Amino acid sequence: EVQLVESGGGLVQPGGSLRLSCAASGFTVSSNYMSWVRQAPGKGLEWVSVIYSGGSTYYADSVKGRFTISRDNSKNTLYLQMNSLRAEDTAVYYCAREVGYSSSAWGQGTLVTVSS
Amino acid sequence: QSALTQPASVSGSPGQSITISCTGTSSDVGGYNYVSWYQQHPGKAPKLMIYEVSNRPSGVSNRFSGSKSGNTASLTISGLQAEDEADYYCSSYTSSSKVFGTGTKVTVL
Repeated sequence: EVQLVESGGGLVQPGGSLRLSCAASGFTVSSNYMSWVRQAPGKGLEWVSVIYSGGSTYYADSVKGRFTISRDNSKNTLYLQMNSLRAEDTAVYYCAREVGYSSSAWGQGTLVTVSS
Repeated sequence: QSALTQPASVSGSPGQSITISCTGTSSDVGGYNYVSWYQQHPGKAPKLMIYEVSNRPSGVSNRFSGSKSGNTASLTISGLQAEDEADYYCSSYTSSSKVFGTGTKVTVL
């Protein structure tokens, strides 16, 4: 069974950093496209970043230069390093397994709150 | 990248059919057959309902169908049921990234 479990969310001050983790089971992270999607409170879904099986990475303009997506093949885990956090980064962050550019499996999400 | 345009809300009575539109540009919806649709109930993670414009993942009811014409994709829910009440989002691949729609709240009257 495919399962994704995010962790690492919490309250952080503006300008601070946070690293989100997404532990996968039932499939191999490194053999799949993996993405992060976020949802601000009461708002819609926003694509954040993707890492392809070959290692290429891409980011939304809103996070480019501040966020870094990566993976640890030995731990079968996806990460999102978030630096220079802003109030507008407050959201539930989901990791997802991509199949043919569709997010076929999602984690339960982890809440990031950026506030002083 | 601008969000794809969806109607804010659509409603229907049980048993009826409804259609949700998703309008983009030739750089996203119109340029690729990588349109997906997601269902999201309150407090839950999204669930993939349609991929590659018109394909249903295993386990998704055949009451859900997708199509595309030009820069606009559509999701049709036939035989509307109470459990279909949720938010629905479209998404499209676009030049090494992805864009989501603005979201549509479906209400079953």
